[in-house]
Amino acid sequence: ELKVEQNPLFLSMQEGKNYTIYCNYSTTSDRLYWYRQDPGKSLESLFVLLSNGAVKQEGRLMASLDTKARLSTLHITAAVHDLSATYFCAGIYTGANSKLTFGKGITLSVRP
Amino acid sequence: DVKVTQSSRYLVKRTGEKVFLECVQDMDHENMFWYRQDPGLGLRLIYFSYDVKMKEKGDIPEGYSVSREKKERFSLILESASTNQTSMYLCASSFGLLYEQYFGPGTRLTVT
Repeated sequence: ELKVEQNPLFLSMQEGKNYTIYCNYSTTSDRLYWYRQDPGKSLESLFVLLSNGAVKQEGRLMASLDTKARLSTLHITAAVHDLSATYFCAGIYTGANSKLTFGKGITLSVRP
Repeated sequence: DVKVTQSSRYLVKRTGEKVFLECVQDMDHENMFWYRQDPGLGLRLIYFSYDVKMKEKGDIPEGYSVSREKKERFSLILESASTNQTSMYLCASSFGLLYEQYFGPGTRLTVT
């Protein structure tokens, strides 16, 4: 059974600094997804990482995937307040009863 | 843009009532999903459907049922609401099981 772990669950960031958050998963995941959730809102898809070494970037966020280490990272460049949100990663294993398995999410708070 | 809508943003029901939550997507997606989101527990899959009239149990189907009579519409039914079903309910849809999921705005259900 696929398990997805995110650490830490909460991260306070200073504006202008760079940070990296991590997503570990326990068994083979065919794809790795990153979602963002603003307080009181729904989830918004950020990235879909398809294969080992995949890197995707959007604005100040860059996501990468290392399938051998079973690790995805989300790098934040020069954090700004607008990036304050909860970030979920999710994996999927396309075996029997395949379904998306979410981590518990990391809540990022960017302070001045 | 994919649009997933849910029938209510907020709902208050009494214990024992039958509750219907409806989800509609406008992108002709094959797959639709119901999750509940609780603090500290993340997102948990209740049921999903990969075609009209087809359904599969997720991680926590007990106390819930679903209906998918039309491709664009997926309903979650609480046969007899209980206080432990107080939660945020999120509907999602996707083109295929490996494709990113698009989420609706969520329904915050309170059972008193």
